[in-house]
Amino acid sequence: AQSVTQLGSHVSVSEGALVLLRCNYSSSVPPYLFWYVQYPNQGLQLLLKYTSAATLVKGINGFEAEFKKSETSFHLTKPSAHMSDAAEYFCAVNNAGNMLTFGGGTRLMVKP
Amino acid sequence: DAGVIQSPRHEVTEMGQEVTLRCKPISGHDYLFWYRQTMMRGLELLIYFNNNVPIDDSGMPEDRFSAKMPNASFSTLKIQPSEPRDSAVYFCASTGGTISGTYNEQFFGPGTRLTVL
Repeated sequence: AQSVTQLGSHVSVSEGALVLLRCNYSSSVPPYLFWYVQYPNQGLQLLLKYTSAATLVKGINGFEAEFKKSETSFHLTKPSAHMSDAAEYFCAVNNAGNMLTFGGGTRLMVKP
Repeated sequence: DAGVIQSPRHEVTEMGQEVTLRCKPISGHDYLFWYRQTMMRGLELLIYFNNNVPIDDSGMPEDRFSAKMPNASFSTLKIQPSEPRDSAVYFCASTGGTISGTYNEQFFGPGTRLTVL
């Protein structure tokens, strides 16, 4: 069965600093991987997705993630954090029947 | 497309009352998912449908919860009777399993915030 682990339920960075949110997955089939963002009082919005094409995936708002098969990782990065990046971020892996298995989420806080 | 539509956005009710949450998926999508999100348990999959047929309802907490999808453009999640511990944000999501390029990507609605007093 597929699973996702997000290390760190809370991450705090200063504005302008590097953002690194960690995601490790377990999958018995070639995975499709996703990062979603949830702003306060809103639904989940797709940031980016890996679908077996390029291993470095660029998403919206300057975020990107790199698929590393040897490390079973799909970490999310952004070179310079902005106050508007404060939100909760979810990593997910595809499962049977078009289901997604979500990680527990990481709340990103950005300090001025 | 308007995206996934959920109603109501907020619902406040008293314990014991029936609650019905509604969802309209994106046109052409053949999968529909109901999730519940709480601080304690995070994001939980309750049930999902494919072509209007319930496929997996193992996440439904108990018999007080039921979900239907009478047609491709409408689904309901009903709680009867409601209890305070049902207070949560309920999300509906859809995906086009047979639409190329979506690769299982789920599109989420804005959610319904339910408060049971």
